[in-house]
Amino acid sequence: AQTVTQSQPEMSVQEAETVTLSCTYDTSESDYYLFWYKQPPSRQMILVIRQEAYKQQNATENRFSVNFQKAAKSFSLKISDSQLGDAAMYFCAYRSAILYYNNDMRFGAGTRLTVKP
Amino acid sequence: NAGVTQTPKFQVLKTGQSMTLQCAQDMNHNSMYWYRQDPGMGLRLIYYSASEGTTDKGEVPNGYNVSRLNKREFSLRLESAAPSQTSVYFCASRPGQGSRQPQHFGDGTRLSIL
Repeated sequence: AQTVTQSQPEMSVQEAETVTLSCTYDTSESDYYLFWYKQPPSRQMILVIRQEAYKQQNATENRFSVNFQKAAKSFSLKISDSQLGDAAMYFCAYRSAILYYNNDMRFGAGTRLTVKP
Repeated sequence: NAGVTQTPKFQVLKTGQSMTLQCAQDMNHNSMYWYRQDPGMGLRLIYYSASEGTTDKGEVPNGYNVSRLNKREFSLRLESAAPSQTSVYFCASRPGQGSRQPQHFGDGTRLSIL
């Protein structure tokens, strides 16, 4: 089974600075999706960014970008110009692109990001 | 613009009581999912329904049952609640198993079992 590892339980960043959250995964598949979800104290699961494994170009969404290293099975999230509203738990997730009968998402344990004013 | 709606948002049960968590989506999605989230862990899949009329076990199905009532609704039932089932429960949906689209999540149900 695929596993997702987030090795940083907690991270902190100064407002307006840049922070990188790490994620590694284990899979034998070649086609899959990777996601970063943000969970603020409200508990909502908000999709931040997604990456399709067959695309070599790293995904970007405004201040959020990823560093996708397929060979290393690494998928880090970079948040630029951090804002107080970025404070949340961040989850990395994996999903197979193969049409299994059970291609659910696998989540990492999460990284709690604190933003200091 | 509701998306995925879960009810209730909070619930406290006594050990041994039964409870059904409701989930409905208005996006015409085929696939629906139930997850639980425990401290220090990511979301883990309890059950899913790939399409109307089908349900299958996920990673942690013991102690739960599900019903895909129709295309919109997917309920999760605890027949005899146990303290180990204290958790935050999330329902999610997406267009279908073959879709490249991400899952849409409800706001969660915080369930405490005493």
